[in-house]
Amino acid sequence: QSALTQPASVSGSPGQSITISCTGTSSDVGSYNVVSWYQQHPGKAPKLMIYEVTKRPSGVSNRFSGSKSGNTASLTISGLQAEDEADYYCCSYAGSSTYVFGTGTKVTVL
Amino acid sequence: EVQLVETGGGLIQPGGSLRLSCAVSGFTVSSNYMSWVRQAPGKGLEWVSFIYSGGSTYYADSVKGRFTISRDNSKNTLYLQMTSLRAEDTAVYYCAKVTADGFDVWGQGTMVTVSS
Repeated sequence: QSALTQPASVSGSPGQSITISCTGTSSDVGSYNVVSWYQQHPGKAPKLMIYEVTKRPSGVSNRFSGSKSGNTASLTISGLQAEDEADYYCCSYAGSSTYVFGTGTKVTVL
Repeated sequence: EVQLVETGGGLIQPGGSLRLSCAVSGFTVSSNYMSWVRQAPGKGLEWVSFIYSGGSTYYADSVKGRFTISRDNSKNTLYLQMTSLRAEDTAVYYCAKVTADGFDVWGQGTMVTVSS
């Protein structure tokens, strides 16, 4: 149950697009299309942003999109806005009714 | 309104026990998959435990044998019984509803500090 690997930080200017990677193994990300992404602002609970790799819950901006290739999932934020500045975590089903989260990425809007 | 409210956190000595509660409103705990997720200070999220609607339970290796997830259907409440607590268990503990969509509803969290 090792954490999925994410870059510690990613930054971009308003209006730009950024992509956060989430690298796992063939036992988690590579085996299941059960990858989700969470946004967490300081002192707040996480918020679901993407589920089942590419799907957006109702109410989440279409500026957020997800994808997966092999053992790596990605979250792309397009048209970056100041309110997008937060920590982002990926999460994958890892089999046997267990889950594993990513190490987290701090997104900074320059 | 769907709401999860965690209580029970606090300061506890190493080796001690603590029970966290997650009071749920807006949906039925027994009909849903529920989970506990924790976050150590300044660190990332860590999945802790999971309970199916049928009652089957699952744990992260880091807490297996020490933590027990359960629910009281009459109180619509989820619990996490924590024993043999260690300094590394210090974290904010969140309860969350789990669906095929992911961890879609979260509580505000309760802080557990394990220290002498």
